[in-house]
Amino acid sequence: GAGVSQSPSNKVTEKGKDVELRCDPISGHTALYWYRQRLGQGLEFLIYFQGNSAPDKSGLPSDRFSAERTGESVSTLTIQRTQQEDSAVYLCASSPQLNTEAFFGQGTRLTVV
Amino acid sequence: AQTVTQSQPEMSVQEAETVTLSCTYDTSESNYYLFWYKQPPSRQMILVIRQEAYKQQNATENRFSVNFQKAAKSFSLKISDSQLGDTAMYFCAFMLSGNTGKLIFGQGTTLQVKP
Repeated sequence: GAGVSQSPSNKVTEKGKDVELRCDPISGHTALYWYRQRLGQGLEFLIYFQGNSAPDKSGLPSDRFSAERTGESVSTLTIQRTQQEDSAVYLCASSPQLNTEAFFGQGTRLTVV
Repeated sequence: AQTVTQSQPEMSVQEAETVTLSCTYDTSESNYYLFWYKQPPSRQMILVIRQEAYKQQNATENRFSVNFQKAAKSFSLKISDSQLGDTAMYFCAFMLSGNTGKLIFGQGTTLQVKP
């Protein structure tokens, strides 16, 4: 596709269940980022991929959060044993190289009930 | 650590008028980039304007311009001839040069353009 694609668009899950959020970056973009946006707040950095390695995982809030990326393609953010405080919009962005514009997807709104 | 502060949670402006959104940041680094992003209700973050810290000239993109004061660590966004489509949340963001490309965002300013 032409832009960054995220799925699902919305996800409602029960507390304690695991969820997987998917991000398809723009073809050819080597850098991929995950951010979390709580209601009415700014974006918090979670993790960054360069190719399929993750040099910076400093933003992952707990060991319940993990992410992986296949080559320079799809990335999956997994949240295990979801808690209500995990409710947020999870945004993915990709860029062709460092220090260039990051292109964002439309995010996945996660609601934990 | 770098921080970004937007002190105006909400602002409003009449259509066709000019509005300025404020942003301050804190860093001990000298090489970095600053951005303004727009987030409409669709949730998609859209880049409005970008400023390289080494450039003294303020960036301009059509109706959007910035006032970059490096010594004061201030980076305000001016929107001229405001349009109804400018209604959105606006985020100021900071990125270190030569680093991972990670963006550090402010808390955002909700802008309402009134007809």
